[in-house]
Amino acid sequence: DAKTTQPNSMESNEEEPVHLPCNHSTISGTDYIHWYRQLPSQGPEYVIHGLTSNVNNRMASLAIAEDRKSSTLILHRATLRDAAVYYCILRDPGGSNYKLTFGKGTLLTVNP
Amino acid sequence: DAGVTQSPTHLIKTRGQHVTLRCSPISGHKSVSWYQQVLGQGPQFIFQYYEKEERGRGNFPDRFSARQFPNYSSELNVNALLLGDSALYLCASSRGQGAGTFGSGTRLTVV
Repeated sequence: DAKTTQPNSMESNEEEPVHLPCNHSTISGTDYIHWYRQLPSQGPEYVIHGLTSNVNNRMASLAIAEDRKSSTLILHRATLRDAAVYYCILRDPGGSNYKLTFGKGTLLTVNP
Repeated sequence: DAGVTQSPTHLIKTRGQHVTLRCSPISGHKSVSWYQQVLGQGPQFIFQYYEKEERGRGNFPDRFSARQFPNYSSELNVNALLLGDSALYLCASSRGQGAGTFGSGTRLTVV
């Protein structure tokens, strides 16, 4: 599985935007970029995913570099409830599509 | 609709014992996956079952086994428990063989 690299931790203030980076220099042409987050005492929760184009949903935006070797998850206005570990995961819907390979993720702290 | 439900939420076992963890998928979901999350790490894939057949297995010893029932619920069994098996065990369900929706997990402590 192609690997991703994320900062161990990031800090933000409430109601400010947050940009969570992810490097994936060995991404293959068929890998989708997925983001999950895990709130304390919860299982991981799907946030967003994309292939080449930037994506938006009600939770976040995903900005994907033109060469696809990096991406950024954008939380437009962080709230205290966004404090979680955020995981950037590459997933090929073909082949071993049955599993997610998690790294350690980025621990996001949101200050009031 | 109910989400993925796991039971029990917490349990404590002694080294050498056996444990069975249970997972009920979201209605209509035919696939169940199991993950182990050790403190401070991301979840690690253990098994996936789809339509009652094992479709994938992670790098875990044979002490770990699972099965899926006709109603698509699943059990994860771990024999001869070791201290290192202490972890949060997560179940995820999906309609097909995709990644799915996770439950809140079972916290297993081995003493």
